[in-house]
Amino acid sequence: EVQLLESGGGLVQPGGSLRLSCAASGFTFSTQAMSWVRQAPGKGLECVSTISGTGDIFYADSVKGRFTISRDNSKNTLYVQMNSLRADDTAVYYCAKRRDSGTRNYRDWYFDLWGRGTLVTVSS
Amino acid sequence: QSVLTQPPSVSGAPGQRVTISCTGSSSNIGAGYDVHWYQQLPGTAPKVLIYRNTNRPSGVPDRFSGSKSATSASLAITGLQAEDEADYYCQSYDSTLSGSWVFGGGTKLTVL
Repeated sequence: EVQLLESGGGLVQPGGSLRLSCAASGFTFSTQAMSWVRQAPGKGLECVSTISGTGDIFYADSVKGRFTISRDNSKNTLYVQMNSLRADDTAVYYCAKRRDSGTRNYRDWYFDLWGRGTLVTVSS
Repeated sequence: QSVLTQPPSVSGAPGQRVTISCTGSSSNIGAGYDVHWYQQLPGTAPKVLIYRNTNRPSGVPDRFSGSKSATSASLAITGLQAEDEADYYCQSYDSTLSGSWVFGGGTKLTVL
C-alpha cells in the first residue's frame, strides 16, 4: 500500500527544537521529491520545505535558517529538524510526495500523496 | 494573506453546480505556472482533485473539472452531493522573492 506516516509531533516550548519523521512505503522513495506542508489551526496550507530526488532543497521564507529538511533513502524516511520554534509554528505538519505535472518544470510539481499529519504545538 | 485569492465560502443545494475561483497575478498563474486543486474533508489530509489545470487523477469523479485563463483558475463541481462538503484549495508557484509553491486561502463548500 502506498502511504506516508508522520511521527515526532508534540508540545515544545518557544525556542525549543523538534524533529519530525515521515516513513514512506509502496513507492520508490529515493527518486521522488518530498515536502513538508503545514496547516495552523483553522487556517490554510503552507509548503514549508521540499527536497528533490537529487537533493535540491527549498524552504519557505518563514522557516529559512530554522528548519532543515533531509532524507534517508536507505530507510525510506523524510525528516525535518525544527529549531528556534515559535508560537506561530504551531500546526499540523503533513508529509507529502511531489509529482511532476508533465511539464518537467519543478515549479509545476503538485502534491499527489499526503500523510495523515502530526501536530506540533509551541507553547509555554 | 495568500497571493492566490479564493472566496472564503460557497454553497449550493444537492444537484446544483458551483464554481470556486482562484485569482492570482503575473508572478504565479499569469506567468504560466500550472494550477492544482485539493479537497480537504473535515478532519482529514488534503487530496489532489485536479492537477495541471484540467486533469483529474484516477478515481476523481468527472463531476469535478478545472479551468485556467490569464491570471485566474476555477474549479467547477456539478451534481453537488452531500459528501462534497469540504475545504478546497488551489495551488501554484509564485516567482516573487526566492520563489515558492503557494496555496490559496481555501474555500469552504457547504451543501445546503
